Parts: sequence; structure tokens; C-alpha cells
Amino acid sequence: RKEVEQDPGPFNVPEGATVAFNCTYSNSASQSFFWYRQDCRKEPKLLMSVYSSGNEDGRFTAQLNRASQYISLLIRDSKLSDSATYLCVVISGGSYIPTFGRGTSLIVHP
Amino acid sequence: EAGVAQSPRYKIIEKRQSVAFWCNPISGHATLYWYQQILGQGPKLLIQFQNNGVVDDSQLPKDRFSAERLKGVDSTLKIQPAKLEDSAVYLCASSLVSPRRMNTEAFFGQGTRLTVV
Repeated sequence: RKEVEQDPGPFNVPEGATVAFNCTYSNSASQSFFWYRQDCRKEPKLLMSVYSSGNEDGRFTAQLNRASQYISLLIRDSKLSDSATYLCVVISGGSYIPTFGRGTSLIVHP
Repeated sequence: EAGVAQSPRYKIIEKRQSVAFWCNPISGHATLYWYQQILGQGPKLLIQFQNNGVVDDSQLPKDRFSAERLKGVDSTLKIQPAKLEDSAVYLCASSLVSPRRMNTEAFFGQGTRLTVV
């Protein structure tokens, strides 16, 4: 089993839709979690950290479920500009190495 | 604030040739990472430095890849000799503190796109 797994998609949704991605991790000692966004042929950029209590930033909501070992990203009212690849990052407590998932591709169409 | 600088942006070499990439992290960032991102995949960590010491290089193919971070600032990643499967984007990232600190953000450079023919 891979350390961090994501459905590669693509998720193809109309503008205004709500879409959610999950990311599962295998190491129960994982301590820090992030969502990064990567546009085509660009570098990854931090979208948001994921806190134990869940957190929201505008249209984006991130949640952590430690019992089931997954994190989620919810995007409400999708915009065309949200089209990108969303990368899940997990830092394990033992190694302190940031490990990326393969990313989930989102395409928002008019 | 200046971001992470990488050069070159693009490189095309023949297999069995050598190549080197350079990274200048954000000033004051103690942690530096080199990632390899193959098309359609997420970035894979090759090596992580804390200042000028290696924290982890378990996924670095040491028979052909080497990296150094002299003086704990700039870093170079070298491939010698290159193989076709090394074609990828090589991303350098830096962070202010060690990942041992919670919620440490890593800032990425634009990457070097390597094509081995």
C-alpha cells in the first residue's frame, strides 16, 4: 500500500458545483497534513494546512479523519480558475519527511 | 520576498551524459528538499537537508545521483550518468524550520525540466 494515495481523476465539474477529494495515508503516526495546488507546468503551491479540528478558507474546507486515516478537501461554488491538480501532503511523525500523493486533477468547465 | 531560485529551467541531454541543477533557497530557510516529479505523478523526495547536513536520502539513487549543500545555503543536484527514465521535473523546495515543527510550509522553485534522449 502506498504511503499517500489519491484518486488521480480527472474530476470534471461545471462551474458552481461542489466537489470533494479524499486522500488516504497509511502511517498512523502522521502528524502534519497539507493540500497543495499545482497548475499545469508550474510548481506546487500551498493551498491550506489541515488541522485536527478542520479548517475553512473561503470556498475551501479541509478536514482530517484520524480514525479512518484520510484527509479531505471540499471546494464549493467551483470557479474555472480552480482547474488544477490538488496534491495531498503528509508528514509522518517518525521520519518528518513530506510525502506527496500523486494528485487529483480537477477540471471546471463553463 | 524572493522565492526559491532554480536553474536551468530546461535541459536536454543524451543518455549517459552528466547534468547538474542548482538551487538557491529562500534566505534563512534551514531545510532544503530536492524532489523528482515524473509526468502524471506527485513529487517524490530525493533528498532533504537541514542546514548542510543530510536528513534523509533513502530514495536517492546513489549510484548515479548526488547532492550537496555546502555552507548550508545553495544546493546542487547531479546526475551522472543519466538514463532515459530520469526525464522529469526536478523541484527544489525550502522551509523555514524543520518539519518536526507542526504545519511547516515548503516553498517550491519553478523546477528544472530534464529530458534525456
